[in-house]
Amino acid sequence: AQSVTQLDSHVSVSEGTPVLLRCNYSSSYSPSLFWYVQHPNKGLQLLLKYTSAATLVKGINGFEAEFKKSETSFHLTKPSAHMSDAAEYFCVVSDGTLVRALTFGSGTRLQVQP
Amino acid sequence: GAVVSQHPSWVICKSGTSVKIECRSLDFQATTMFWYRQFPKQSLMLMATSNEGSKATYEQGVEKDKFLINHASLTLSTLTVTSAHPEDSSFYICSASQDRQNTEAFFGQGTRLTVV
Repeated sequence: AQSVTQLDSHVSVSEGTPVLLRCNYSSSYSPSLFWYVQHPNKGLQLLLKYTSAATLVKGINGFEAEFKKSETSFHLTKPSAHMSDAAEYFCVVSDGTLVRALTFGSGTRLQVQP
Repeated sequence: GAVVSQHPSWVICKSGTSVKIECRSLDFQATTMFWYRQFPKQSLMLMATSNEGSKATYEQGVEKDKFLINHASLTLSTLTVTSAHPEDSSFYICSASQDRQNTEAFFGQGTRLTVV
């Protein structure tokens, strides 16, 4: 069994300030973890993924996330927010079974203030 | 990168009619495709998993006879919402994986279904 908890349903930051979106997971296997971004009425775009390689994962648009097994966390960060970062972000876990389906967190809406 | 195309991007239909949504992997062969449903301001909920040439596996609570899934080839899966009702109005998203381990899934752009 696997699950994902996104600790904040809504985060608001000012443009140019750091972004932190929090995610905790549970998994019976060595998980793969992903962050996806969804702009309004659009599909999901992969920001980054962790698949048991380096624990600090760098993604697109300046985002990165750190896998911390001891804390079962995979928080998403960005040093400086841009207006175009305003969107819905989903933390996703995939377990180690042969045929996997993704389990999505409930999502965090990021608002960027000018 | 791998591209998944979903069609149509939006559709409006009358109550009682059926609607077909297509999900195509454009530049890879998808061994597995997944169909999700997303209600407004909520996360994605997996509806079913389909493997090419076999019957789809539906999640608990999803009506098989209402949401017909066909995965006839390695590049195409279809979701047909039969006898649609207003409560079926939602955002439907497919994803496709090209390897058995499903280490990464590629998402279509989604289909906004409105039943009037």
